[in-house]
Amino acid sequence: DQQVKQNSPSLSVQEGRISILNCDYTNSMFDYFLWYKKYPAEGPTFLISISSIKDKNEDGRFTVFLNKSAKHLSLHIVPSQPGDSAVYFCAASGNTGTASKLTFGTGTRLQVTL
Amino acid sequence: NAGVTQTPKFQVLKTGQSMTLQCAQDMNHEYMSWYRQDPGMGLRLIHYSVGAGITDQGEVPNGYNVSRSTTEDFPLRLLSAAPSQTSVYFCASSYPRYRGLNSPLHFGNGTRLTVT
Repeated sequence: DQQVKQNSPSLSVQEGRISILNCDYTNSMFDYFLWYKKYPAEGPTFLISISSIKDKNEDGRFTVFLNKSAKHLSLHIVPSQPGDSAVYFCAASGNTGTASKLTFGTGTRLQVTL
Repeated sequence: NAGVTQTPKFQVLKTGQSMTLQCAQDMNHEYMSWYRQDPGMGLRLIHYSVGAGITDQGEVPNGYNVSRSTTEDFPLRLLSAAPSQTSVYFCASSYPRYRGLNSPLHFGNGTRLTVT
């Protein structure tokens, strides 16, 4: 059972416009959410995170929104740039025991066109 | 600062062969983990460790073995390779959450394994 879902495998956005990537989760024990960006032949790199005590976190062009009642989070990139073209993974963690295990979604491939 | 280093970058094995994927980190992170990435499946947790001498299974542990003798190293062993283990393997590390830190995982650049 997929606990973290990214239902859009791909997204194409024009340079300068807003990119919105969506993620849904089913496990109500998740309390920490992250977005990772991945280029081909590289490992995922951390982008931005949000704790369940917040509903918004912003870092430069990147903003993550969390709607706990809907079990939904989204990543907004404004303005989108060609260098943002990558695969974006949503991930979630629950504060159970001593582990920092992340559960990942299947990823959304973002293409920013000129 | 090298971060998380994985070797080798590429490997081809025949069915039944064994091998060890190496992972080392220089950030003094207690928590380390192995993930595999397959098309359409995202990243799935294989094994993880919260410190030297402590390991535990993740979501897809079958066919893999790990040990953690030092804080820095967390090798992943394939006992008898199967074509289903063809994948890209990522090692990651972080501070554990019980330290009160929401610490993101830092990933290596991966090992691309093909089993024929």
